[in-house]
Amino acid sequence: QVQLQQSGAELAKPGSSVKISCKASGYTFTSYYISWIKQTTGQGLEYIGYINTGSGGTNYNEKFKGKATLTVDKSSSTAFMQLSSLTPDDSAVYYCARGRLPGWYFDFWGPGTMVTVSS
Amino acid sequence: DIVLTQSPALAVSLGQRATISCRASQSVSTSSYNLMHWYQQKPGEQPKLLIYDASNLASGIPVRFSGSGSGTDFTLTINPVQADDIATYYCQQSRELPFTFGSGTKLEIK
Repeated sequence: QVQLQQSGAELAKPGSSVKISCKASGYTFTSYYISWIKQTTGQGLEYIGYINTGSGGTNYNEKFKGKATLTVDKSSSTAFMQLSSLTPDDSAVYYCARGRLPGWYFDFWGPGTMVTVSS
Repeated sequence: DIVLTQSPALAVSLGQRATISCRASQSVSTSSYNLMHWYQQKPGEQPKLLIYDASNLASGIPVRFSGSGSGTDFTLTINPVQADDIATYYCQQSRELPFTFGSGTKLEIK
């Protein structure tokens, strides 16, 4: 069965970076894109971007350009998101989700990774 | 960005019909697709896909869930509502990047 397994919660200091992982199983990894979505109580769900797991090509929401960097390791079927120059506003739950084309909806989601930014 | 507007909450009685709406700031339909999708999220869990392309039931989702609409106005219907349906429901458009989500409608029991 399709599963997306995410890395554990992170506690980070302002100005630092974190790298979250999303390991896929149960399907051909390179046949589907992976997207990343941020959830906060105040802002709801926000699309960060997607990565083409076959080519490594990316698309970013303008709001997250310079903040998020998406990469992939095909050998381990794992997608990564690095968040840099962290501020308290980056505190959130971050989800990876499998993207289905052509409609571009998210049919499987990881359990989420909570990132807390605090000094 | 396309803004999706949802009512914050809806209270219904068990066994009754729930109708959750989502209005887009511009059309999210093409000549081939209505690019609106619906998700259910329970507390402490990740969102789950319910409906894709406005009216297609996702795999494993009970038939009491249905979706309709085109252009800027879309509806998720749950009929009949069961206790397990208590959750927050989000719409999401994929007509334009960046993809956007509605703010969610919390379904409550009357």
